[in-house]
Amino acid sequence: AQKVTQAQTEISVVEKEDVTLDCVYETRDTTYYLFWYKQPPSGELVFLIRRNSFDEQNEISGRYSWNFQKSTSSFNFTITASQVVDSAVYFCALSEVSIQGAQKLVFGQGTRLTINP
Amino acid sequence: DGGITQSPKYLFRKEGQNVTLSCEQNLNHDAMYWYRQDPGQGLRLIYYSQIVNDFQKGDIAEGYSVSREKKESFPLTVTSAQKNPTAFYLCASSIGTSPYNEQFFGPGTRLTVL
Repeated sequence: AQKVTQAQTEISVVEKEDVTLDCVYETRDTTYYLFWYKQPPSGELVFLIRRNSFDEQNEISGRYSWNFQKSTSSFNFTITASQVVDSAVYFCALSEVSIQGAQKLVFGQGTRLTINP
Repeated sequence: DGGITQSPKYLFRKEGQNVTLSCEQNLNHDAMYWYRQDPGQGLRLIYYSQIVNDFQKGDIAEGYSVSREKKESFPLTVTSAQKNPTAFYLCASSIGTSPYNEQFFGPGTRLTVL
């Protein structure tokens, strides 16, 4: 069965510090997709990034960067120079295909990130 | 603006009552999903629908029912058979059912059983 583990339940840092959120996944598929979502206090999940299993290039988007390593089944997320607005719950998710051929997302339990001023 | 709307934002229910949560999208997406989120836990899939008039059970479908009579609407009914219904419910949609597609989420409905 597919599984996503986010071992860090809560992280608290001071503004401007760098912070890394860990994500480890398990799958038997050779082709799969990984996602990161942000859930601010309003509750709505916001899509951040998608990565397919054949693309191990790291990605940077402003202060956000993602490190995908198939060898360790990890897809970690780093925020550089954190800001108070980054405070949210962050979810890592793995996409699988159901027996009916539909996409199913398997979510980790989430990491609550608090950035203190 | 395109997006997903869920109503109501907060819902209170007495034990033994059925309640229906609304989810509407104007993104013209084929696929729609319902998730349940409990404190400190990830999202768990309740039901999903790939096309109109078709839907499948997710991982925790017991005590819930859905319908998909229109492409833009996917209401969820929480029945009295659901043992522990107090939770945050999120509706999502995606353009198709490829594992590549990202899902777009609504703002959620927080259900409390009194």
